[in-house]
Amino acid sequence: GQNIDQPTEMTATEGAIVQINCTYQTSGFNGLFWYQQHAGEAPTFLSYNVLDGLEEKGRFSSFLSRSKGYSYLLLKELQMKDSASYLCAGTNNNDMRFGAGTRLTVKP
Amino acid sequence: KAGVTQTPRYLIKTRGQQVTLSCSPISGHRSVSWYQQTPGQGLQFLFEYFSETQRNKGNFPGRFSGRQFSNSRSEMNVSTLELGDSALYLCASSLSAGGGELFFGEGSRLTVL
Repeated sequence: GQNIDQPTEMTATEGAIVQINCTYQTSGFNGLFWYQQHAGEAPTFLSYNVLDGLEEKGRFSSFLSRSKGYSYLLLKELQMKDSASYLCAGTNNNDMRFGAGTRLTVKP
Repeated sequence: KAGVTQTPRYLIKTRGQQVTLSCSPISGHRSVSWYQQTPGQGLQFLFEYFSETQRNKGNFPGRFSGRQFSNSRSEMNVSTLELGDSALYLCASSLSAGGGELFFGEGSRLTVL
């Protein structure tokens, strides 16, 4: 089975950097996704890591360590519109299971 | 390209009733997954369909069922509704089965009174 853990809530300041951690235990792991979900909206894809290392995409980066069962999402130059829930999800070629999500609040 | 469409967007039912939710995936996507989202539990996997076959099922009682049609459209049904079934039901489609990038619909928000 899969067990995915991430912090429930985080707060950061506009313009700062924030790192959202995710740990997982999953059999047959085959990739780690991050999704963003604004209140009242559908989740949208942010990033995908299948190999160890850092994937950078503009202000957002995602890191994966398969040996440690650990990932993080790094958000730079925070903007007010980044206030949202960030969902970590693991896949094992059978299905995709999600963590409970981290609600990020960006303050001025 | 049209996104994932879910209907109805909002509905209110009473305990004991049953409900059917519909999902139309992105054109060309053959995999449809269903998730239940509640504030405390996050997204809980219900089931995934690919080419009209249920590939996998989460830990939900038999009251939750689904199906997929030949055009990849999917429906899920919840019978004998309970108060705890109140949630946002999200449908997601993907090109391949088993955990590729998911494209979510806006969801169907079910309230059970």
